[in-house]
Amino acid sequence: EPEVTQTPSHQVTQMGQEVILRCVPISNHLYFYWYRQILGQKVEFLVSFYNNEISEKSEIFDDQFSVERPDGSNFTLKIRSTKLEDSAMYFCASSPERRNEQFFGPGTRLTVL
Amino acid sequence: SQQGEEDPQALSIQEGENATMNCSYKTSINNLQWYRQNSGRGLVHLILIRSNEREKHSGRLRVTLDTSKKSSSLLITASRAADTASYFCATDEVAGNNRLAFGKGNQVVVIP
Repeated sequence: EPEVTQTPSHQVTQMGQEVILRCVPISNHLYFYWYRQILGQKVEFLVSFYNNEISEKSEIFDDQFSVERPDGSNFTLKIRSTKLEDSAMYFCASSPERRNEQFFGPGTRLTVL
Repeated sequence: SQQGEEDPQALSIQEGENATMNCSYKTSINNLQWYRQNSGRGLVHLILIRSNEREKHSGRLRVTLDTSKKSSSLLITASRAADTASYFCATDEVAGNNRLAFGKGNQVVVIP
């Protein structure tokens, strides 16, 4: 069964460094998302992406964040200058249609020191 | 923004028993989705129920939706030890553009 994959599974970085989190959505899906979950807290929406542009973004998704679909398969989240409070599990998700099931990847645990 | 809230927060049951979780929300929705998360792992999609549906089944799962009360319930019948996990509801709000708003989650422990 097709799955969303994410790399790396765990990323450790120093405060102020740039990180790129990578995702491969399910191949025939058209809608892509990033969410994050700070330890012990709710899963929070960051951004949605469709037709090569951002559809919606949350207040969390400030100028330090960007997303890109550099080719036909990858979907990336870049954090330009990481802060301690960016430490969280980051989930990528995809869905085939609008208002449909969103399928999540296994997540990337980001630790900012 | 609207957030789903599950109730109860933690549930401990014997294998074979049924587990019921509730979720409430505050605004109009297009659909509501339930997810399972094993400790520290990814979110597994369980079931989606649309705003014009009242009940849906998938295997041992039964989901109900009451849009007048803005609430949903997830029933797991004949629970197994492997059902031990956190369960989250997530709402696709009419006001949103496909984003999901997640609740805090229910921790379910099934004792063999």
